[in-house]
Amino acid sequence: AQSVTQLDSHVSVSEGTPVLLRCNYSSSYSPSLFWYVQHPNKGLQLLLKYTSAATLVKGINGFEAEFKKSETSFHLTKPSAHMSDAAEYFCVVNIDTGRRALTFGSGTRLQVQP
Amino acid sequence: DSGVTQTPKHLITATGQRVTLRCSPRSGDLSVYWYQQSLDQGLQFLIQYYNGEERAKGNILERFSAQQFPDLHSELNLSSLELGDSALYFCASSVAGRYNQPQHFGDGTRLSIL
Repeated sequence: AQSVTQLDSHVSVSEGTPVLLRCNYSSSYSPSLFWYVQHPNKGLQLLLKYTSAATLVKGINGFEAEFKKSETSFHLTKPSAHMSDAAEYFCVVNIDTGRRALTFGSGTRLQVQP
Repeated sequence: DSGVTQTPKHLITATGQRVTLRCSPRSGDLSVYWYQQSLDQGLQFLIQYYNGEERAKGNILERFSAQQFPDLHSELNLSSLELGDSALYFCASSVAGRYNQPQHFGDGTRLSIL
């Protein structure tokens, strides 16, 4: 079985300050992990993915995430928040079984204050 | 733009009715997934098709069905609609449906049941 826990349902930061969105996963197999972002009334956009290569993964728009197997974590970070980063962020896991569907975390809503 | 096209964007109908949601995957993608996003259930996987064949089933109700056509577009059919079926329905596609391949999402169809 696989599961994902996003530790914060809401995160609020000031523009220009660092962003940290936390994600822990549970998987019996080596997982593939993804972060997606959803802006209001839009679909999900892939930010980055981890698929057993480098543990530090760089994504679009200055985001990056570090895979830590010992902590079963895949936290998303950005050095400096921008107003346009305000959105819902989903941590997602998939494992190599017959079922190819993604398992989504419950989401973290990021608010960026001016 | 993800390259995944969903129509219609909005659908308003009444209980007991039947609707069809359409999805065109990205060019070259063979696998199509359907997801339901609601406030109380979050994002849930419904069903996956690969090159015209059903590959995996998730939390899809018996009132719902889907198919993928030879040109790789897919349709999700929802019948005997209930108020609780009101949600955002997403289609996603990936190249070959492997667990470590990212899925690319359309902008969704918002279904409102009156």
